[in-house]
Amino acid sequence: GAVVSQHPSWVICKSGTSVKIECRSLDFQATTMFWYRQFPKQSLMLMATSNEGSKATYEQGVEKDKFLINHASLTLSTLTVTSAHPEDSSFYICSARRGGPYNEQFFGPGTRLTVL
Amino acid sequence: GDSVTQMEGPVTLSEEAFLTINCTYTATGYPSLFWYVQYPGEGLQLLLKATKADDKGSNKGFEATYRKETTSFHLEKGSVQVSDSAVYFCALLYNQGGKLIFGQGTELSVKP
Repeated sequence: GAVVSQHPSWVICKSGTSVKIECRSLDFQATTMFWYRQFPKQSLMLMATSNEGSKATYEQGVEKDKFLINHASLTLSTLTVTSAHPEDSSFYICSARRGGPYNEQFFGPGTRLTVL
Repeated sequence: GDSVTQMEGPVTLSEEAFLTINCTYTATGYPSLFWYVQYPGEGLQLLLKATKADDKGSNKGFEATYRKETTSFHLEKGSVQVSDSAVYFCALLYNQGGKLIFGQGTELSVKP
C-alpha cells in the first residue's frame, strides 16, 4: 500500500522559535497533500490543502503567515510553524493523495509538537 | 455546512462482543462516506467506504451501510477482538475539492 511518512514524530521547542515538519509520500507521487491538526480527544481539523508547485489553500481561520506550507515536489510537503507559542502545541497530521479528488488519501503517522 | 457526528467514547467491550459505533452526517448533495481507524502510534488507515446510498462497505469483519434516509453510516462488527482496540473516525468526502470532514473519533477498547 501507499506509505506516507512524517518527520519528526515529536518535537519540543521554545516559544518564539520556528519548527518545520516534513511529510513525504514514499512510494507514490502525491499531486495533493493535506495538513490537519488534531487536539486531544477531538477530531482532525483540516488546516490547508497544497498542490505541487502552487500556493496552499488555507481553511477559514488558519493563519497562513503562521503556518507556512511548501509543496515543492510530488513527494514532499513541509509545514513550518513560525514564532510558535504554547497554544500551537498539538498533533499535526498530513495526508497525501494521488490524482483526482475522489482518490484515497493516505495518512502519515503524525507529529506531536510541544511548545514550552 | 457539512458535518459528521459520532457517538462519544470510550467504548469498552469484552472480546467477541458485538460492536456498533453510530455515525450521522449532514451534507449537501451526495457525499462519499468513510470509516478510518487509528491504531496506537500509527496514522489513520482507511477501513471501509461507501460511495452512494444503500452501498455497504466491509473490511476485516467490519461493515457499514450508507443510509440516505437516516443520514447515517453506523459501523458494526459481530465479534470484536483485542486487536481491534483503536480510535475509529467516521468521515465524509466533501463534494467540492476532495476534502474529508471527520467526526470526533470514538475510542474502542476491547478487553480479553
